[in-house]
Amino acid sequence: GAGVSQSPSNKVTEKGKDVELRCDPISGHTALYWYRQSLGQGLEFLIYFQGNSAPDKSGLPSDRFSAERTGGSVSTLTIQRTQQEDSAVYLCASSAYTVGEQYFGPGTRLTVT
Amino acid sequence: RKEVEQDPGPFNVPEGATVAFNCTYSNSASQSFFWYRQDCRKEPKLLMSVYSSGNEDGRFTAQLNRASQYISLLIRDSKLSDSATYLCVVTTGKLIFGQGTTLQVKP
Repeated sequence: GAGVSQSPSNKVTEKGKDVELRCDPISGHTALYWYRQSLGQGLEFLIYFQGNSAPDKSGLPSDRFSAERTGGSVSTLTIQRTQQEDSAVYLCASSAYTVGEQYFGPGTRLTVT
Repeated sequence: RKEVEQDPGPFNVPEGATVAFNCTYSNSASQSFFWYRQDCRKEPKLLMSVYSSGNEDGRFTAQLNRASQYISLLIRDSKLSDSATYLCVVTTGKLIFGQGTTLQVKP
């Protein structure tokens, strides 16, 4: 079946602009995570959705970052007033239950110029 | 202190070598444990779960020591294709990833 998909695969934007990154999880997966990974670095947790519960936003680096998950499926990560330090690969993952195996999407490579 | 800590390496080993990675975690209430593999410029993928009794999958053996709060991954008879970054993952309500250990297997 279809895996996790993300769009766009690459995004180049100017400093100060807003961007939206999209994640389509595997159908039926209740848990959805967003991470970011800078070049040569580990995964940085951003936000976690589990079913209808309030999301765990503890990893969001600033109030310029927000995310929503509509209808328990598709999720959008929004970065407002982008900065150069926001440049990274943004990865989305979904799992069938809270602490199960995560399936990752291919990521969105964001470059802020 | 980070919730999950790994030696970043890199570990440079010849083909056929046995190599072991350790990972420590800080929360004794952690529930589940995994090893993921990430190839260069690719997304992470599950390598294996780690069970309390230890488990083996071919050349790979994972072990958990709850008392000392660490997990390990042993790779026997290393192949060139094993070159990657190995991520330790611990769950405490949500999944927490370590920074990864880089393995480079040389011919």
